Amino acid sequence: QKEVEQDPGPLSVPEGAIVSLNCTYSNSAFQYFMWYRQYSRKGPELLMYTYSSGNKEDGRFTAQVDKSSKYISLFIRDSQPSDSATYLCAMSARGNYGQNFVFGPGTRLSVLP
Amino acid sequence: DGGITQSPKYLFRKEGQNVTLSCEQNLNHDAMYWYRQDPGQGLRLIYYSQIVNDFQKGDIAEGYSVSREKKESFPLTVTSAQKNPTAFYLCASSKIRDRGDQPQHFGDGTRLSIL
Repeated sequence: QKEVEQDPGPLSVPEGAIVSLNCTYSNSAFQYFMWYRQYSRKGPELLMYTYSSGNKEDGRFTAQVDKSSKYISLFIRDSQPSDSATYLCAMSARGNYGQNFVFGPGTRLSVLP
Repeated sequence: DGGITQSPKYLFRKEGQNVTLSCEQNLNHDAMYWYRQDPGQGLRLIYYSQIVNDFQKGDIAEGYSVSREKKESFPLTVTSAQKNPTAFYLCASSKIRDRGDQPQHFGDGTRLSIL
């Protein structure tokens, strides 16, 4: 079993739809959870960063963490064509030498006008 | 504006050649990282550094080398020993705090191809 699994996509939705992106993980030591957006030929851009279980909202984006189920989600409301990108989940835990980050493989999202 | 600058954007390597990818940050971050990204795979850690003149191997360090002579700079050399170097290389940095982890911020990558 991989440490982090993510719905591979690709995912196509019409403009204005609600998008749900999901990751599961196996290591209960992960304490911090992140979502990144990556446009083609660009580096990942940090969208959301959270520690505790529950919801965190930022504009049209909501990050949800359920540590008991080892499951995280990113919801995008009123999706726009500019949201078309690959979305990476990431999580981290303290290791012997600083933070250890693990990334999911990414879900490619297309929002169709 | 603060950020991470990677150069060059595109790089071509000949057989038997070493090439160096540049990464500079002006975020005053302590930690710096190099990742390799291949299609359909998550980011894989090559090397990371928490402090000047110290660095640690990641999951796929073979065929790569790094240096950290300055806090702002963390160049990656892809040596001729790396037999499959074609990939998108990403540099990242993060702040180190005593309490609480901090997220990574990324540069815009270097795409390396074999001639």
